[in-house]
Amino acid sequence: GQNIDQPTEMTATEGAIVQINCTYQTSGFNGLFWYQQHAGEAPTFLSYNVLDGLEEKGRFSSFLSRSKGYSYLLLKELQMKDSASYLCAALDSNYQLIWGAGTKLIIKP
Amino acid sequence: GAVVSQHPSWVICKSGTSVKIECRSLDFQATTMFWYRQFPKQSLMLMATSNEGSKATYEQGVEKDKFLINHASLTLSTLTVTSAHPEDSSFYICSAKGAGADTGELFFGEGSRLTVL
Repeated sequence: GQNIDQPTEMTATEGAIVQINCTYQTSGFNGLFWYQQHAGEAPTFLSYNVLDGLEEKGRFSSFLSRSKGYSYLLLKELQMKDSASYLCAALDSNYQLIWGAGTKLIIKP
Repeated sequence: GAVVSQHPSWVICKSGTSVKIECRSLDFQATTMFWYRQFPKQSLMLMATSNEGSKATYEQGVEKDKFLINHASLTLSTLTVTSAHPEDSSFYICSAKGAGADTGELFFGEGSRLTVL
């Protein structure tokens, strides 16, 4: 079956760095997405990886290892507004997004 | 980036009535649109995939006669919740994939929160 695993909740301190991990098992693979979702709002796109390696975009970076079925989202210089759920999603061979349950990130002052 | 508009943002209705939610791609042609539902503290669940001009493909466990999806044009898809009941109260979100979008990136609407009394 298809499956996405990511931690349920993480806590970090303002100004620090946090890494949110995601492992996936899908029927075929066409890329890995990270989305940010604040409570009561729709998800917003953060990153897309289809090749192995690290993609950096400002304070956020995303890494992918296809051979390991593994990705992580790295958030630097954490701000209070980064408190949100972070959703990992893999695109399978039919271009269907397989979603993880999301990681709730709590930022403390 | 591309813009997807969803309407209405909030809707409250009586049990037994039908509610229509619209999803529009404002600056691109969306060959494929997806409809999701999210219950409180749960992840997004794909309900159905609709391709312009053809019948929607529903995920297992989703009643196609209850959740009517129409994708009549390249910029508009609608979800109609028929004979709504309180258990249908949820956050409904659409997303759109443009023609030639090789990355498969999806663009999300703002979401519609449905409350059935």
